[in-house]
Amino acid sequence: GDQVEQSPSALSLHEGTGSALRCNFTTTMRAVQWFQQNSRGSLINLFYLASGTKENGRLKSTFNSKESYSTLHIRDAQLEDSGTYFCAAEGVNSGGSNAKLTFGKGTKLSVKS
Amino acid sequence: EAAVTQSPRNKVTVTGGNVTLSCRQTNSHNYMYWYRQDTGHGLRLIHYSYGAGNLQIGDVPDGYKATRTTQEDFFLLLELASPSQTSLYFCASSKLGAYEQYFGPGTRLTVL
Repeated sequence: GDQVEQSPSALSLHEGTGSALRCNFTTTMRAVQWFQQNSRGSLINLFYLASGTKENGRLKSTFNSKESYSTLHIRDAQLEDSGTYFCAAEGVNSGGSNAKLTFGKGTKLSVKS
Repeated sequence: EAAVTQSPRNKVTVTGGNVTLSCRQTNSHNYMYWYRQDTGHGLRLIHYSYGAGNLQIGDVPDGYKATRTTQEDFFLLLELASPSQTSLYFCASSKLGAYEQYFGPGTRLTVL
């Protein structure tokens, strides 16, 4: 099965509201990255976490390796936040010749006025 | 922030055609990667490299070759393109294998 399970697959928010996206891991991961894919298809780096919580503006992400999940919180959503959000995780044996990211299938976010 | 460029940005070829996708990074990163993105699958790793002359097999390597000619340049080769290889291809780089990856803008390939 998939090592990275991302939910929800789609989400609709009104401007000014917020929500959380989640990734669950079926194996132990040592770091996670979150990306936004915009309407042009570009992948924008949001966060890289090996543990704990990071915050950047209206976005906040947490990674809990022990409990095998990561979350991305969006608050005060704006129209430009629309896009697809991906999490990607490194297994504990990554690094050296085994460096790999495993991606979730994404959450498609639509922000409406 | 890391700079990763890809060329061409769009490519159309026919079944059986020969295609080369190019990727260049200018941040002295050791690792480079090729992914494909398809609806319902997210991004999947094709090949990666940790230095000039090195090549590692990814998760979906069938039908693809790759070559890392310099630290900056990583190429993906489709020698007999098939319609199943129609996809959006991304290149990425990272300083080391367990570090943040930075992605190029993508190449949209259509195989007719």
